[in-house]
Amino acid sequence: GAVVSQHPSWVICKSGTSVKIECRSLDFQATTMFWYRQFPKQSLMLMATSNEGSKATYEQGVEKDKFLINHASLTLSTLTVTSAHPEDSSFYICSARDRWAHQPQHFGDGTRLSIL
Amino acid sequence: QQQVKQSPQSLIVQKGGIPIINCAYENTAFDYFPWYQQFPGKGPALLIAIRPDVSEKKEGRFTISFNKSAKQFSLHIMDSQPGDSATYFCAASIWDSSYKLIFGSGTRLLVRP
Repeated sequence: GAVVSQHPSWVICKSGTSVKIECRSLDFQATTMFWYRQFPKQSLMLMATSNEGSKATYEQGVEKDKFLINHASLTLSTLTVTSAHPEDSSFYICSARDRWAHQPQHFGDGTRLSIL
Repeated sequence: QQQVKQSPQSLIVQKGGIPIINCAYENTAFDYFPWYQQFPGKGPALLIAIRPDVSEKKEGRFTISFNKSAKQFSLHIMDSQPGDSATYFCAASIWDSSYKLIFGSGTRLLVRP
């Protein structure tokens, strides 16, 4: 149980385009989902907390207009990287918390984003 | 005060050895301490977690030791195997809320055959 699916697992796109990443909780409902960014050999950096039906809460230094987050249902959150540039290339990981349990966070398998 | 300090950065042990990874925190509001295992190209997977009401928790070959007064906790991997080679992250959070996880910097473990 407690499976989080992330799609796509890998995407390559040209600079200037927008890319959408989906995060789904498959067997539980999640009122809260989290989006992380991870550079090679580094820890996970929290970008934002996504709350179902309300605006996301962004961490300091994360551009809200650059990284659009939508959490329209209890099982789906999306992260859109707008006008992507090579420096946005990274490993993006989402996690979700069961609405009926405070812990733990269940993680997806990440999306490798490469901007050419 | 929000940081979780993790050491060592990397660790090499022989098969059957007992690698130990240490973490320290400062925020006394933290009351939930999970450990995650991450393989290359994958997301982190929860290994084991502990809360401050116990000093030790064991699940299979993985054991967490917790020292509340010192604000430290550690992961021990018994009878380590080459398949345990991965990056391990400790984290801290507040149990009874939607508070975020604060991750340590990670430890890259290599278990030699």
